[in-house]
Amino acid sequence: QSALTQPASVSGSPEQSITISCSGTSSDIGGYNYVSWYQQHSGKAPKLIIYEVSNRPSGVADRFSASKSANTASLIISGLQAEDEAVYYCSSLTSSSAVVFGTGTKVTVL
Amino acid sequence: EVQLVESGGGLVQPGRSLRLSCAASGFTFGDYAMHWVRQGPGKGLEWVSGVSWESGFIGYADSVKGRFTISRDNGKNSLYLDMNSLRPEDTAFYYCAKDYSDGSGYSPSFDLWGQGTLVTVSP
Repeated sequence: QSALTQPASVSGSPEQSITISCSGTSSDIGGYNYVSWYQQHSGKAPKLIIYEVSNRPSGVADRFSASKSANTASLIISGLQAEDEAVYYCSSLTSSSAVVFGTGTKVTVL
Repeated sequence: EVQLVESGGGLVQPGRSLRLSCAASGFTFGDYAMHWVRQGPGKGLEWVSGVSWESGFIGYADSVKGRFTISRDNGKNSLYLDMNSLRPEDTAFYYCAKDYSDGSGYSPSFDLWGQGTLVTVSP
């Protein structure tokens, strides 16, 4: 159950678009359409922003979108805003019926 | 109000045991899978364990398998985590989380989180 691999940090200017990658294996990301993304602001509990690869829960801004190709998932934040500054985690179901999170990516709005 | 409230955290010596509880309200607890997720100080998220709505499907992270036991009481709208043989590396905030899906098994999508309870394992 090794953690999924994410870049440690990504930055962008307001209104720009950024992409966060999440790399796994055929035993997790590549094997299931069960990839989720979370946003965690400092000192707060995580918030679900994407489920089942590309679906947004009610109330999540459509600036957040996501996709998957083979063993890698991606989160795209379009029109970056100051309040998007947070740590983002991906997660996936695994072949051993476990859940694995990514290493986390800190997003900085310049 | 829809919420999850964890309790039971604290300071415990290595090798000892602790039981965490999570009280759910504002939704039909018995319809959803539930999970425990932990986060060490300054560290990332780590899934600990999950249980399906009827307790027929249970999973654990390798790091806690054989030491931790998850359970639920749908009549009491409560989730539990029994932690035995605690180690310093188990020190973390422990979050209770609700699964997004009301289907069988569980998913990696958690749409409601508690505020967390801190477990510190130290001599």
